[in-house]
Amino acid sequence: GQNIDQPTEMTATEGAIVQINCTYQTSGFNGLFWYQQHAGEAPTFLSYNVLDGLEEKGRFSSFLSRSKGYSYLLLKELQMKDSASYLCAVNTGFQKLVFGTGTRLLVSP
Amino acid sequence: NAGVTQTPKFRILKIGQSMTLQCAQDMNHNYMYWYRQDPGMGLKLIYYSVGAGITDKGEVPNGYNVSRSTTEDFPLRLELAAPSQTSVYFCASRSRDRDSYEQYFGPGTRLTVT
Repeated sequence: GQNIDQPTEMTATEGAIVQINCTYQTSGFNGLFWYQQHAGEAPTFLSYNVLDGLEEKGRFSSFLSRSKGYSYLLLKELQMKDSASYLCAVNTGFQKLVFGTGTRLLVSP
Repeated sequence: NAGVTQTPKFRILKIGQSMTLQCAQDMNHNYMYWYRQDPGMGLKLIYYSVGAGITDKGEVPNGYNVSRSTTEDFPLRLELAAPSQTSVYFCASRSRDRDSYEQYFGPGTRLTVT
């Protein structure tokens, strides 16, 4: 079976740092995606990790540990516009993605 | 370059009706996907295609059909609509280049079946 777990909701303050965790158990693994989705909009790509370690891209970083079935998305210097849902998705092959239910992040002033 | 386009944006269907959700991309992407997203949930893969003439089932294919006669278009057909198919439907595409892994999503079609 396929199982991807993320916290349902998180809150943080503008300017702070937040870490969104994702654990997975899937029948195949070819990489892990993080997508951002604002309410009523389509998902937009944030990061893709294939190998273990940290990938940094501006204010956003993503970490992967394949042996632990674990990833996190780190958002620094939070801004109000970062209020959105963050979706963790595993590539199980041919870019067939299995998504978690998403973590809704609320950023307050 | 319009990216991935979907029509219609919204639709209300009665139980038992049929409809086709349209998806087109102008990026010459080989891979195309259909997802559904229920309220407060992640996306679930319905069908996907790795090129014209080739389609395969995803996680939740029951009640849907697809075709891929051209590289650009990937319509999703709902036969005998049921309330359980009320959802937001997203189409996505991706290049087959090994270094190009991002899936580009269309704006979605919001479907209500009553």
